Amino acid sequence: GQNIDQPTEMTATEGAIVQINCTYQTSGFNGLFWYQQHAGEAPTFLSYNVLDGLEEKGRFSSFLSRSKGYSYLLLKELQMKDSASYLCAVLDSNYQLIWGAGTKLIIKP
Amino acid sequence: NAGVTQTPKFQVLKTGQSMTLQCAQDMNHEYMSWYRQDPGMGLRLIHYSVGAGITDQGEVPNGYNVSRLNKREFSLRLESAAPSQTSVYFCASSYLAGEVDEQYFGPGTRLTVT
Repeated sequence: GQNIDQPTEMTATEGAIVQINCTYQTSGFNGLFWYQQHAGEAPTFLSYNVLDGLEEKGRFSSFLSRSKGYSYLLLKELQMKDSASYLCAVLDSNYQLIWGAGTKLIIKP
Repeated sequence: NAGVTQTPKFQVLKTGQSMTLQCAQDMNHEYMSWYRQDPGMGLRLIHYSVGAGITDQGEVPNGYNVSRLNKREFSLRLESAAPSQTSVYFCASSYLAGEVDEQYFGPGTRLTVT
């Protein structure tokens, strides 16, 4: 079966750095997405990786290792507004998105 | 640009009742889809459409029908609601067919079936 694993919840301090991991086992791979979802709101796109390596976008970076079936989202200089759920999703061989259950990130002052 | 809009935002149904969730996008996107989101689970694809008049089933299509009459609008119908359909429903759209592109999500419909 297809599986995406993420930690259920993480806590971090304002101003710090946090890394949210995502491991996947899917039938084929055509890219990995990260989305942010604030409570009660819709998911919004953060990043897309299809090749191995690190993609940096401001305070957020996303890393991919296809051989390990592994990705992480790195958030730097955490702000209170970063409190949200972070969803990892993999595009499988049929170009269908397989979604993880999300990681709820709690930021403390 | 309004992006993706959904109505209603909240709905309570009794078992056996029917309803239609409406979705529209003003970004000229070809691909539209309906997801449900349940606690502790990832988003699950219900149905999707690659263009007007063309729809297909996703991962969890049972109990739902869809209609794409034009490029802008994609509706989801529950013919006979069941408590298992209590969920948050999101409509999404993207420029490219399939899910290879960034998805734009509507604000969601919170549905409770009693």
